[in-house]
Amino acid sequence: AQTVTQSQPEMSVQEAETVTLSCTYDTSENNYYLFWYKQPPSRQMILVIRQEAYKQQNATENRFSVNFQKAAKSFSLKISDSQLGDTAMYFCAFMRPPYSGAGSYQLTFGKGTKLSVIP
Amino acid sequence: DTAVSQTPKYLVTQMGNDKSIKCEQNLGHDTMYWYKQDSKKFLKIMFSYNNKELIINETVPNRFSPKSPDKAHLNLHINSLELGDSAVYFCASSQDAGYSGNTIYFGEGSWLTVV
Repeated sequence: AQTVTQSQPEMSVQEAETVTLSCTYDTSENNYYLFWYKQPPSRQMILVIRQEAYKQQNATENRFSVNFQKAAKSFSLKISDSQLGDTAMYFCAFMRPPYSGAGSYQLTFGKGTKLSVIP
Repeated sequence: DTAVSQTPKYLVTQMGNDKSIKCEQNLGHDTMYWYKQDSKKFLKIMFSYNNKELIINETVPNRFSPKSPDKAHLNLHINSLELGDSAVYFCASSQDAGYSGNTIYFGEGSWLTVV
């Protein structure tokens, strides 16, 4: 079974500064996908960024980037130029493909990191 | 246009009642899911359906019964509601593309409070 660990329950950052959220996971799979989701106070789950395990290049989406270390099973999220709207819970998630040809993709979530951006 | 929409968004009901949450996706996806987020904000999968067939059924009380009339809809019916059922329930969907992997898109959540 896969597990996802987010060791920082809460973090804070000054507006315009950079913050890194950590995530580690445990799996015996070789092909898998990693995600960061953001959940603001409205509770909506919003995809932030996605990484395929077979890609060595780290994914980037505007101010959001990841540091994917496959051997270390680490997948941290860096937020640059933090904005007040970045205040949210951030969930790291692991996805393995279905074992059979057709099926569904199972996401395993970490327990989340509550990020507060301070004006 | 909302890609994954669920109704109602808020639901307060008494113990013992039966309630349903509806979900629809307009993304043309093959697979739909129900996730539960508890009071500690931990998210866990409950069910998934692929083309109207049940694929994943985690350890969920049989008071919870998903129903998929077609691949664009996955409703969740809950019988004999208990206090511990209070949570946010997320519907989600993804495209079934075998090993290429795909992103799961979530609805806005349905806040269920059992009193």
